[in-house]
Amino acid sequence: DVKVTQSSRYLVKRTGEKVFLECVQDMDHENMFWYRQDPGLGLRLIYFSYDVKMKEKGDIPEGYSVSREKKERFSLILESASTNQTSMYLCASSLSGGETQYFGPGTRLLVL
Amino acid sequence: QKEVEQNSGPLSVPEGAIASLNCTYSDRGSQSFFWYRQYSGKSPELIMSIYSNGDKEDGRFTAQLNKASQYVSLLIRDSQPSDSATYLCAVEAGGYQKVTFGTGTKLQVIP
Repeated sequence: DVKVTQSSRYLVKRTGEKVFLECVQDMDHENMFWYRQDPGLGLRLIYFSYDVKMKEKGDIPEGYSVSREKKERFSLILESASTNQTSMYLCASSLSGGETQYFGPGTRLLVL
Repeated sequence: QKEVEQNSGPLSVPEGAIASLNCTYSDRGSQSFFWYRQYSGKSPELIMSIYSNGDKEDGRFTAQLNKASQYVSLLIRDSQPSDSATYLCAVEAGGYQKVTFGTGTKLQVIP
Protein backbone atom coordinates (compact mmCIF):
# COMPACT_ATOMS: atom_id res chain seq x y z
CA ASP A 1 0.00 0.00 0.00
CA VAL A 2 1.08 3.51 -0.79
CA LYS A 3 1.73 5.53 2.28
CA VAL A 4 1.90 9.31 2.41
CA THR A 5 2.68 10.79 5.77
CA GLN A 6 2.63 14.36 6.97
CA SER A 7 4.70 15.67 9.85
CA SER A 8 1.84 16.99 11.97
CA ARG A 9 -1.93 16.52 12.18
CA TYR A 10 -2.52 19.78 14.02
CA LEU A 11 -0.35 22.87 14.25
CA VAL A 12 -0.83 26.22 15.95
CA LYS A 13 1.48 29.09 14.98
CA ARG A 14 1.71 32.82 15.52
CA THR A 15 1.48 35.43 12.81
CA GLY A 16 4.91 36.07 11.31
CA GLU A 17 6.37 32.69 12.24
CA LYS A 18 8.11 30.54 9.65
CA VAL A 19 6.25 27.27 9.26
CA PHE A 20 7.48 24.01 7.78
CA LEU A 21 5.11 21.26 6.69
CA GLU A 22 6.72 18.02 5.64
CA CYS A 23 5.40 15.22 3.48
CA VAL A 24 6.99 11.83 2.87
CA GLN A 25 5.88 9.10 0.46
CA ASP A 26 7.23 5.59 0.39
CA MET A 27 6.37 4.42 -3.14
CA ASP A 28 9.05 6.07 -5.27
CA HIS A 29 6.49 8.37 -6.87
CA GLU A 30 7.69 10.99 -9.31
CA ASN A 31 5.06 13.63 -8.60
CA MET A 32 4.21 15.31 -5.34
CA PHE A 33 1.64 17.98 -4.61
CA TRP A 34 0.62 20.44 -1.92
CA TYR A 35 -3.00 21.56 -1.63
CA ARG A 36 -5.00 23.58 0.82
CA GLN A 37 -8.65 22.84 1.43
CA ASP A 38 -11.10 25.43 2.66
CA PRO A 39 -14.89 25.20 3.02
CA GLY A 40 -16.63 26.27 -0.16
CA LEU A 41 -13.35 26.60 -2.06
CA GLY A 42 -12.42 22.96 -2.40
CA LEU A 43 -8.91 21.69 -2.97
CA ARG A 44 -6.58 24.31 -4.37
CA LEU A 45 -3.15 23.48 -5.69
CA ILE A 46 -0.31 25.45 -4.11
CA TYR A 47 2.77 23.85 -5.67
CA PHE A 48 3.70 20.58 -7.27
CA SER A 49 6.90 18.81 -8.18
CA TYR A 50 7.49 16.28 -10.94
CA ASP A 51 11.11 15.52 -10.11
CA VAL A 52 13.72 16.13 -7.45
CA LYS A 53 14.62 19.82 -7.23
CA MET A 54 11.88 20.66 -9.74
CA LYS A 55 8.83 22.63 -8.77
CA GLU A 56 5.91 24.28 -10.48
CA LYS A 57 3.53 26.88 -9.16
CA GLY A 58 -0.05 25.87 -8.73
CA ASP A 59 -3.03 28.15 -8.53
CA ILE A 60 -2.26 29.88 -5.22
CA PRO A 61 1.53 29.95 -4.64
CA GLU A 62 1.67 33.40 -3.05
CA GLY A 63 3.05 33.30 0.48
CA TYR A 64 4.38 29.75 0.08
CA SER A 65 7.54 28.08 -1.09
CA VAL A 66 8.51 24.43 -1.46
CA SER A 67 11.56 22.24 -1.37
CA ARG A 68 12.21 18.81 -2.82
CA GLU A 69 15.76 17.73 -2.13
CA LYS A 70 14.96 14.00 -2.09
CA LYS A 71 12.45 12.10 -4.17
CA GLU A 72 10.41 10.92 -1.22
CA ARG A 73 10.14 14.24 0.62
CA PHE A 74 8.31 17.43 -0.32
CA SER A 75 8.23 20.34 2.09
CA LEU A 76 5.90 23.31 2.15
CA ILE A 77 7.20 26.49 3.74
CA LEU A 78 5.22 29.45 4.93
CA GLU A 79 7.85 32.17 5.12
CA SER A 80 5.81 34.45 7.37
CA ALA A 81 2.56 32.90 8.46
CA SER A 82 -0.59 35.00 8.25
CA THR A 83 -4.07 34.39 9.58
CA ASN A 84 -5.43 33.84 6.06
CA GLN A 85 -3.20 30.79 5.80
CA THR A 86 -5.25 29.03 8.46
CA SER A 87 -6.43 25.95 6.58
CA MET A 88 -6.22 22.21 6.06
CA TYR A 89 -3.08 21.34 4.12
CA LEU A 90 -3.01 18.12 2.13
CA CYS A 91 -0.02 16.51 0.51
CA ALA A 92 -0.38 13.98 -2.31
CA SER A 93 1.84 11.92 -4.56
CA SER A 94 1.39 10.06 -7.84
CA LEU A 95 3.52 7.64 -9.78
CA SER A 96 3.56 9.90 -12.82
CA GLY A 97 1.29 12.11 -14.87
CA GLY A 98 -2.21 10.82 -15.41
CA GLU A 99 -2.03 8.53 -12.43
CA THR A 100 -3.95 8.33 -9.17
CA GLN A 101 -2.99 10.77 -6.45
CA TYR A 102 -2.57 9.35 -2.96
CA PHE A 103 -3.21 11.77 -0.16
CA GLY A 104 -1.69 12.13 3.27
CA PRO A 105 -3.88 12.57 6.36
CA GLY A 106 -3.62 16.36 6.26
CA THR A 107 -2.31 19.04 8.59
CA ARG A 108 -4.79 21.42 10.13
CA LEU A 109 -2.92 24.69 10.61
CA LEU A 110 -4.21 27.49 12.79
CA VAL A 111 -2.40 30.83 12.60
CA LEU A 112 -3.17 33.16 15.47
CA GLN B 1 -14.84 30.90 -15.13
CA LYS B 2 -14.01 27.98 -12.90
CA GLU B 3 -11.93 25.34 -14.59
CA VAL B 4 -13.78 22.41 -13.04
CA GLU B 5 -17.36 22.90 -11.93
CA GLN B 6 -19.57 20.75 -9.76
CA ASN B 7 -22.89 21.33 -8.08
CA SER B 8 -22.11 21.59 -4.36
CA GLY B 9 -25.33 19.85 -3.33
CA PRO B 10 -26.26 18.33 -1.06
CA LEU B 11 -27.66 15.68 -3.34
CA SER B 12 -30.05 13.49 -1.38
CA VAL B 13 -31.06 10.07 -2.66
CA PRO B 14 -32.88 7.20 -0.94
CA GLU B 15 -31.02 4.01 -0.17
CA GLY B 16 -30.99 1.71 -3.19
CA ALA B 17 -31.45 4.50 -5.73
CA ILE B 18 -29.02 5.68 -8.39
CA ALA B 19 -26.98 8.76 -7.54
CA SER B 20 -25.80 10.86 -10.48
CA LEU B 21 -22.94 13.29 -9.98
CA ASN B 22 -21.87 15.67 -12.71
CA CYS B 23 -18.78 17.70 -13.50
CA THR B 24 -17.89 20.08 -16.34
CA TYR B 25 -14.44 21.34 -17.26
CA SER B 26 -13.15 24.18 -19.38
CA ASP B 27 -9.81 22.96 -20.79
CA ARG B 28 -10.40 21.06 -24.03
CA GLY B 29 -6.87 19.69 -23.83
CA SER B 30 -7.64 17.76 -20.64
CA GLN B 31 -6.59 14.16 -20.84
CA SER B 32 -7.20 12.44 -17.52
CA PHE B 33 -10.28 12.53 -15.34
CA PHE B 34 -10.77 11.30 -11.80
CA TRP B 35 -13.46 10.92 -9.19
CA TYR B 36 -12.37 11.00 -5.55
CA ARG B 37 -14.49 10.37 -2.49
CA GLN B 38 -13.87 12.30 0.72
CA TYR B 39 -15.52 11.38 3.97
CA SER B 40 -15.90 14.13 6.55
CA GLY B 41 -12.58 14.70 8.33
CA LYS B 42 -10.70 12.36 6.01
CA SER B 43 -8.49 12.68 2.96
CA PRO B 44 -9.71 12.12 -0.59
CA GLU B 45 -9.39 8.63 -2.03
CA LEU B 46 -9.76 7.55 -5.64
CA ILE B 47 -13.02 6.00 -6.81
CA MET B 48 -12.57 5.94 -10.57
CA SER B 49 -10.30 7.24 -13.29
CA ILE B 50 -11.30 7.58 -16.94
CA TYR B 51 -9.25 8.61 -19.94
CA SER B 52 -11.35 8.02 -23.07
CA ASN B 53 -14.88 8.81 -24.16
CA GLY B 54 -17.60 6.47 -23.04
CA ASP B 55 -18.42 4.54 -19.92
CA LYS B 56 -16.21 2.76 -17.44
CA GLU B 57 -17.74 0.49 -14.85
CA ASP B 58 -16.33 -0.74 -11.56
CA GLY B 59 -18.78 -2.52 -9.31
CA ARG B 60 -21.58 -0.14 -8.39
CA PHE B 61 -19.75 2.82 -9.91
CA THR B 62 -19.82 3.98 -13.53
CA ALA B 63 -17.83 6.93 -14.82
CA GLN B 64 -18.92 8.56 -18.06
CA LEU B 65 -16.80 10.89 -20.16
CA ASN B 66 -17.89 13.08 -23.05
CA LYS B 67 -14.98 15.19 -24.26
CA ALA B 68 -17.00 16.94 -26.96
CA SER B 69 -19.37 18.30 -24.34
CA GLN B 70 -16.62 18.61 -21.73
CA TYR B 71 -18.35 16.76 -18.98
CA VAL B 72 -17.68 13.77 -16.84
CA SER B 73 -20.16 12.07 -14.57
CA LEU B 74 -20.26 9.42 -11.88
CA LEU B 75 -23.20 7.09 -11.37
CA ILE B 76 -23.56 5.15 -8.14
CA ARG B 77 -26.04 2.29 -8.37
CA ASP B 78 -27.79 0.80 -5.35
CA SER B 79 -26.66 3.72 -3.20
CA GLN B 80 -25.81 2.86 0.40
CA PRO B 81 -25.64 5.10 3.48
CA SER B 82 -21.90 4.41 3.49
CA ASP B 83 -21.69 6.25 0.14
CA SER B 84 -22.59 9.49 1.94
CA ALA B 85 -19.54 11.68 1.36
CA THR B 86 -18.28 14.53 -0.77
CA TYR B 87 -17.31 13.51 -4.30
CA LEU B 88 -14.54 15.46 -5.97
CA CYS B 89 -14.04 15.63 -9.71
CA ALA B 90 -10.43 16.15 -10.80
CA VAL B 91 -9.08 16.94 -14.25
CA GLU B 92 -5.51 16.74 -15.44
CA ALA B 93 -4.54 19.06 -18.24
CA GLY B 94 -1.47 17.18 -19.36
CA GLY B 95 1.91 18.81 -19.82
CA TYR B 96 3.49 19.08 -16.38
CA GLN B 97 0.65 17.15 -14.78
CA LYS B 98 -1.23 19.93 -13.06
CA VAL B 99 -4.46 18.60 -11.60
CA THR B 100 -7.47 20.79 -10.91
CA PHE B 101 -10.19 19.73 -8.49
CA GLY B 102 -13.80 20.80 -8.44
CA THR B 103 -15.26 22.00 -5.16
CA GLY B 104 -17.10 18.72 -4.70
CA THR B 105 -20.68 17.49 -4.48
CA LYS B 106 -21.97 16.35 -1.11
CA LEU B 107 -24.02 13.19 -1.40
CA GLN B 108 -26.45 12.09 1.29
CA VAL B 109 -27.96 8.62 1.05
CA ILE B 110 -31.10 8.42 3.17
CA PRO B 111 -31.79 5.00 4.79
